[in-house]
Amino acid sequence: AQKVTQAQTEISVVEKEDVTLDCVYETRDTTYYLFWYKQPPSGELVFLIRRNSFDEQNEISGRYSWNFQKSTSSFNFTITASQVVDSAVYFCALKGPGGGGADGLTFGKGTHLIIQP
Amino acid sequence: ETGVTQTPRHLVMGMTNKKSLKCEQHLGHNAMYWYKQSAKKPLELMFVYNFKEQTENNSVPSRFSPECPNSSHLFLHLHTLQPEDSALYLCASSQDPRDEQFFGPGTRLTVL
Repeated sequence: AQKVTQAQTEISVVEKEDVTLDCVYETRDTTYYLFWYKQPPSGELVFLIRRNSFDEQNEISGRYSWNFQKSTSSFNFTITASQVVDSAVYFCALKGPGGGGADGLTFGKGTHLIIQP
Repeated sequence: ETGVTQTPRHLVMGMTNKKSLKCEQHLGHNAMYWYKQSAKKPLELMFVYNFKEQTENNSVPSRFSPECPNSSHLFLHLHTLQPEDSALYLCASSQDPRDEQFFGPGTRLTVL
């Protein structure tokens, strides 16, 4: 069975601070996909990134960066110089190779990030 | 319209009512999904359709009945729901089940 753990229920930081959201996953698949989504107060889930299990290269996109480490089954997300607009609930998700009735995403419980001005 | 749209955005219904949620994607994707997000549980997958065929039913009660007439439209028919079914119902689509999913704004359902 697949499982995603986001141990941080809520994080509150002051604007311009750096913040890291943790994600630990469990899977028996050798091929799998990891995702991060952002859910602002409006409710719509916004796709941020997808990572394949065979690609451990870290990625940076503006103020966002992701650290994927298979050795620790972690896929952490860092926001540098946080802004109030970054306030949202962030979800980490996992998906297997697909097929055989396993095409959906397994989500963590989410981390509520609060950026205070 | 672009992306994934859902109607209605809000719905209040009694336990004896019958209603339907509609999802439409304008992305040319082949796979569509229904998820449930309630206050007490993490996001849960309900159904998956790929090329109009249901490929996954995550042990969803029969009072929820999905329908996918084509790759662009997905419905969720509701009947004799329970108050605990009150939640945000999210629709998503992807080009392929392996790809990232794009979500609609959701329907906030309240069952009285």
